[in-house]
Parts: sequence; C-alpha cells; structure tokens
Amino acid sequence: EVQLVESGGGLVQPGGSLRLSCAASGFTFSTYAMTWVRQAPGKGLEWVSAISGSGGGTFYADSVKGRFTISRENSKNTLFLQMSSLTAEDTAVYYCAKDLSVGAIYDAFDIWGQGTMVTVSS
Amino acid sequence: QLVLTQSPSASASLGASVKLTCTLSSGHSSYAIAWHQQQPEKGPRYLMKLKSDGSHSKGDGIPDRFSGSSSGAERYLTISSLQSEDEADYYCQTWGTGLVVFGGGTKLTVL
Repeated sequence: EVQLVESGGGLVQPGGSLRLSCAASGFTFSTYAMTWVRQAPGKGLEWVSAISGSGGGTFYADSVKGRFTISRENSKNTLFLQMSSLTAEDTAVYYCAKDLSVGAIYDAFDIWGQGTMVTVSS
Repeated sequence: QLVLTQSPSASASLGASVKLTCTLSSGHSSYAIAWHQQQPEKGPRYLMKLKSDGSHSKGDGIPDRFSGSSSGAERYLTISSLQSEDEADYYCQTWGTGLVVFGGGTKLTVL
C-alpha cells in the first residue's frame, strides 16, 4: 500500500524552529518529486515547497523562502521540512504529498499524508 | 499570473448530480489541473488529473460517479448519484514553472 505518514508537529514559540518528517512506503521513493502543502485552520490549501527525486532541486513559496528548508533521505524513504523563524502565520496542518509522474517536478499530487499540526504561539 | 477560481459553495440533493467549476486565469487555458476531495477532518484525496482536451486519469479506487471535462479555461468535476459521503471540500490544483497553485475550494453540501 502506498502511504505517507507525517510526524514532528507540535506547539512552538514565535521565532522558534521545528522539523517535520514524512515517511514514505509502497513506492520507489527516489523516483518521485515530493511536496509540502499546508492548511491554516479553516482555510484552503497552500503549496509550501517541493523537492526533486534526487534532492538536487528545491523550490519554495515566497511566504517561506529563506526560513524553510526541504530535504530528503532516499535511503530511508523520508522527506523533511526544517522550519525556522516561525510566526503565527505558519500555524497550519502540514501535509506531504507525492507527485503523480516519475521524474516530474511539478505535477498533480496523487498521494497525501494525514497531516501534522504545527501551532506557533507563546 | 496563474490563478484558479472556484465558487465557495455548492449544493445538490442526495442521488442527484452536481457540476463543480474551476476556472484558469487568462493566458493559461491550456493548463492541466487536478481535483482533490477533502472530507471533514481528513487530509485531501486525489480524484483525477484533467487535461485541457477533457481527458482525465483518476486515482485508484475513485468511483465512476466522478468524472471530469474541460471547455476553454474551465475545468469541471461532475459527481453523479450523490451520496452523503460526497459532502466535502473540493480543490483544484495546477502547476507551472516554479510554483503550484490551488483554487480556494468549493464546499459541497448534499441535501
């Protein structure tokens, strides 16, 4: 079964840092680009960041550029999102998602995780 | 600028059909999109990838009741024989060089 499981969310103070993980299974992880998408409480979906299958290409939304770093460890089928300088506007459920097509950087997302909640508050 | 526009809400009766619309911004009418369903308190679920010619590829296990079509800059999701579990938010998604864009979502109420 193809599956994505996020972890690492929690409560963090403004200005703090947090590292999210996404464990993948059921597919050849290294051949697919992966993405982080977030959803603030009561709001819609917002693309955050993407990474190529090899990890050599990384892409960010303007709202997180310079503060968030996406990475992956293909030997462990795991995707990461390192978040720093967090503000209340970063409060959201963070989902990891898999690209539909092998080798594509930007594509439909065909598998989603269940999400992990990040709350930025003092 | 690449933008997707969706109506905030829609409603239809149990057993009826409903057609949701996602509109691509000017100059982007050739773009493919994806439709995703988000049931209350759940993560999104991929429904289908829909191209400008109306061809679409559905996700695993998506019922035949869900279909897609296209006309110009409009992308449609039609749900037939509505069931109570179809009550959800529906998001369209597209992508371009360096970015991914989501529509604002349509909240579907099944009466």
